[in-house]
Amino acid sequence: DSGVTQTPKHLITATGQRVTLRCSPRSGDLSVYWYQQSLDQGLQFLIQYYNGEERAKGNILERFSAQQFPDLHSELNLSSLELGDSALYFCASSPSGGNSPLHFGNGTRLTVT
Amino acid sequence: DAKTTQPTSMDCAEGRAANLPCNHSTISGNEYVYWYRQIHSQGPQYIIHGLKNNETNEMASLIITEDRKSSTLILPHATLRDTAVYYCIVRVRNYGGSQGNLIFGKGTKLSVKP
Repeated sequence: DSGVTQTPKHLITATGQRVTLRCSPRSGDLSVYWYQQSLDQGLQFLIQYYNGEERAKGNILERFSAQQFPDLHSELNLSSLELGDSALYFCASSPSGGNSPLHFGNGTRLTVT
Repeated sequence: DAKTTQPTSMDCAEGRAANLPCNHSTISGNEYVYWYRQIHSQGPQYIIHGLKNNETNEMASLIITEDRKSSTLILPHATLRDTAVYYCIVRVRNYGGSQGNLIFGKGTKLSVKP
């Protein structure tokens, strides 16, 4: 158990809809990262937050947004969903500073029909 | 960002050591090498990381060459449960120098066979 909790585990929705994925980082971790894994793209970095502030941005679509709240949990919002957004979405967390590794949750499997 | 090159797949006999190579010839002096693995569709699992010295923990050993252009992950006694995709990653640094995110490549699919 990595200590990173993601909910829900599975999500099935229709094209055009909007969903919110939630991530609770490990206790004490200030950084949260979001990744997308689809069959043809591998693990793609989306965005990183540190203590509520956006720290780095990767290949995140404009239809996607994220935030980190004062209690350090994070949410990834996906809107105007398309079939191609079907994927596993992973959240990871790490402590502040140093070279501590990222620890990943077990992901949310999103299916867009 | 420093890129890594890994073999696409490898086989290993159960009980033998699994040696997974990685090339990272463009690594910078302050960039760390991290190893993760992913079993089926579970979240990536951290294994080990290092800068220039060899490292060992309860899961594996990491051998980094003196010029830091390559490294080898060693699983000393592979079991069937070690079958997974193994990723070698050079961790990026954010603007300002803080440790940033991990850029995953395609990794090495390790199959441990009885």
